[in-house]
Formats: sequence, C-alpha cells, structure tokens
Amino acid sequence: DILMTQSPATLSVSPGERATLSCRASQSVSSNLAWYQQKPGQAPRLLIYDASTRATGVPVRFSGSGSGTDFTLTISSLQSEDFAVYYCQQYNFWYTFGQGTKLEIK
Amino acid sequence: QVQLVESGGGLVKPGGSLRLSCGVSGFTLSDHYMSWIRQAPGKGLEWISYISSSGKNIYYADSVKGRFTISRDSAKNSVYLQMNSLRVEDTAVYYCARGGTRSLTWFDAWGQGTLVTVSS
Repeated sequence: DILMTQSPATLSVSPGERATLSCRASQSVSSNLAWYQQKPGQAPRLLIYDASTRATGVPVRFSGSGSGTDFTLTISSLQSEDFAVYYCQQYNFWYTFGQGTKLEIK
Repeated sequence: QVQLVESGGGLVKPGGSLRLSCGVSGFTLSDHYMSWIRQAPGKGLEWISYISSSGKNIYYADSVKGRFTISRDSAKNSVYLQMNSLRVEDTAVYYCARGGTRSLTWFDAWGQGTLVTVSS
C-alpha cells in the first residue's frame, strides 16, 4: 500500500497570509494526486486533481504543485472560509488518503 | 446539478448487517465509477470499495473484503453497499463518491454521508 503523510498536522495562519500544506507519498504516484477540503459536519470537497488542476469553481488562491512523491497545496491569501481540514489522496495505485492537516486561525 | 444522497445508516449490533443506498441525480450513473469511502469519528478518510461504470469490475479494501458487497442499479440511479458481519471498528460516516469515467481517478462529487454505529 502507498502511505500518504501530510505535514504539519495542524497549521496556524492569520487571515490574509499564505498557507503551505505538504503531502508525501511512500513511493511515486506520478501526478495522480488530489486535494480535498473538509469542514466540520460536511463531506469533503474536491479542490485539486492531477496534482495541479483546480476543480470547477475552486478559487484561484488555491494551487497545487509537485509530482512523484512530494506535493504542496498553497492557499495564497487565506479567507475565513478556508479554515478547515485538508486531505491529499493518491489514485495511482488504488486509493489512499493522508491523515489530514487542520488549518486553523492564528 | 450533481447530487448524491446516502441513506440506510443506523445503530446495529456487532455481527449484524446493514444495507446502504446512494441515490444519484444530475448525471448518468452508468458513465462513472462509484466508490464508498468512510470516516471513523474524528479520523481520516478510508476508501473501501468501488464499482466500475459497467458494473463488471469491483474492488474492496482488505478491511472489508469478504464482508461488504457493492452493487449498482442504473435504472434506479442508485449504488448500494451491503455490509455483513459488522464490527465495532466499522463505525463511521459512510460517503458515496463519484469517480471518473475510467478507473483510478479523483472523487469530484460526494454525498452528505450516513452514519453507521456498530455497538452492543
């Protein structure tokens, strides 16, 4: 199985600042990586697929990068609605999710 | 508008069974792979099963293999998850999620989830 490790577990950032979330795969997943946002009591929402392609309706402040084993989700200027838990997911060999990064208000 | 609505969750004793349903609208079910993904309370996401657009290819995570069965009925626009021999560790919110038109893609639409609690 491919293990996905996200860091940090919790990230404290002030509104308006940039947030950088990391995701590392235990072996190469090429660009077969997605990012999701989940708010309390809600289902996950797709943000990014194929490592860097924004899903429909996702604001341009969200961007993804990376390939192989190391990936990054960047939120350029945090809005109040962006504070949530973020998961990465690989779909190169079956499906595996990271354990999540909680983005909280500093 | 794409919608997925799960139902069928509830409280069940260890060893019991439940059948979850996922009704879909706004897209053609037979065009898409569909998956079930679960989330234990306070935990992360775990993919547990998918069924191909044709229904011919079905896969399960090891944690549920032999106990859970996924199926689909395109005429009823629904996907199902039959869960047998339930264990305490199966307690979770179960989400139905839409995959792509080929195997192994991202999940671009999710239902609101249905809670399954396995407890004596």
